Amino acid sequence: AQSVTQLGSHVSVSEGALVLLRCNYSSSVPPYLFWYVQYPNQGLQLLLKYTTGATLVKGINGFEAEFKKSETSFHLTKPSAHMSDAAEYFCAVSDNAGNMLTFGGGTRLMVKP
Amino acid sequence: EPEVTQTPSHQVTQMGQEVILRCVPISNHLYFYWYRQILGQKVEFLVSFYNNEISEKSEIFDDQFSVERPDGSNFTLKIRSTKLEDSAMYFCASSADRGLTDTQYFGPGTRLTVL
Repeated sequence: AQSVTQLGSHVSVSEGALVLLRCNYSSSVPPYLFWYVQYPNQGLQLLLKYTTGATLVKGINGFEAEFKKSETSFHLTKPSAHMSDAAEYFCAVSDNAGNMLTFGGGTRLMVKP
Repeated sequence: EPEVTQTPSHQVTQMGQEVILRCVPISNHLYFYWYRQILGQKVEFLVSFYNNEISEKSEIFDDQFSVERPDGSNFTLKIRSTKLEDSAMYFCASSADRGLTDTQYFGPGTRLTVL
């Protein structure tokens, strides 16, 4: 069985500061990892994904994540937060069949002016 | 840009009533999914659907739930006799392929409230 843990249900940063959202996973097979973002009253939008190859993955809106197998982590970062980044962020892992996504609990990012 | 749409955005029903949640996946997609998120909890997989049949379902997806693709565009989730614990946000998703590298695109969700 797979699982995802997101440390910190709420993260607050100042505008311009580094954003770091943590995600750790558990998987018995090589994982496929995703970050989704949810803005208020909208659906889940894919930010980035790791499948194979380069472990540093770049996504939309300046976000990136690094797959670290030894740490079973897939943390999401952005060098400089913008007010428009305020949203809920979900880390997810895909099962071996690529059929279902297992989500973490989500992290609500707040950006202070 | 194509998107997944869901109706209604909010549904209120009485316990024991049947509800149907509707989704219009992206038009050329072949794989369809339902997830739900109970308030304050994780997004949970319910069911996946391909070629007019269920390809995988979770423990949550018991006999009270059913899915259907009644025509070429809609994908529905039916709950036969709603319980209080069915109150949640229900998300529909679709993908072009089932491959490990493919992306599931999510709709905005339907908030179901069971009274």
